[in-house]
Amino acid sequence: DGGITQSPKYLFRKEGQNVTLSCEQNLNHDAMYWYRQDPGQGLRLIYYSQIVNDFQKGDIAEGYSVSREKKESFPLTVTSAQKNPTAFYLCASKTGGAYNEQFFGPGTRLTVL
Amino acid sequence: AQKITQTQPGMFVQEKEAVTLDCTYDTSDPSYGLFWYKQPSSGEMIFLIYQGSYDQQNATEGRYSLNFQKARKSANLVISASQLGDSAMYFCAMGLPYNTDKLIFGTGTRLQVFP
Repeated sequence: DGGITQSPKYLFRKEGQNVTLSCEQNLNHDAMYWYRQDPGQGLRLIYYSQIVNDFQKGDIAEGYSVSREKKESFPLTVTSAQKNPTAFYLCASKTGGAYNEQFFGPGTRLTVL
Repeated sequence: AQKITQTQPGMFVQEKEAVTLDCTYDTSDPSYGLFWYKQPSSGEMIFLIYQGSYDQQNATEGRYSLNFQKARKSANLVISASQLGDSAMYFCAMGLPYNTDKLIFGTGTRLQVFP
């Protein structure tokens, strides 16, 4: 079945450690996205990529980094520079075209201890 | 600046009844797309329905319909014949034009369906 996978589902890290969240899709989508969701809030865009080897900052990119070496994969690294990293992280992808819907993965819940 | 506003933090509806979830948007661009997503307690976002700014008719997808009032800048989601499985968070989102491929989300409405 085609879809988006994110791993792990739950992640715990100590303050000062970098951590990488995985996102893989087999939908052959060109564009991929990372969002952050805090309790009681909507989704905020961290980074997005419309093509391999290229990506753009979203609204809250500080303290995060990404790479897009393969079409299927768009990992997100939460660095120690991110001041408040505890949140729910969602990855999404879509085909080209301005208004095609985004398909989402199941999310990763990151908790900083 | 583009913005999505959902003013209802929570809504209750009885099973089999219809419910309307409100969404207003703000943009000065004539070209945009409006989306509704459902987020169950599992966390995954599920696409429900889409409305383009130039679409003449309101979008419908099964029990979901979008009440699009362009002059009022509103795009309310109507769920007919509510089911217990409809209990979830619902998010309205706007797609930006010119192929930036980004979505702006509202803060969501929590819908609870009771028997």
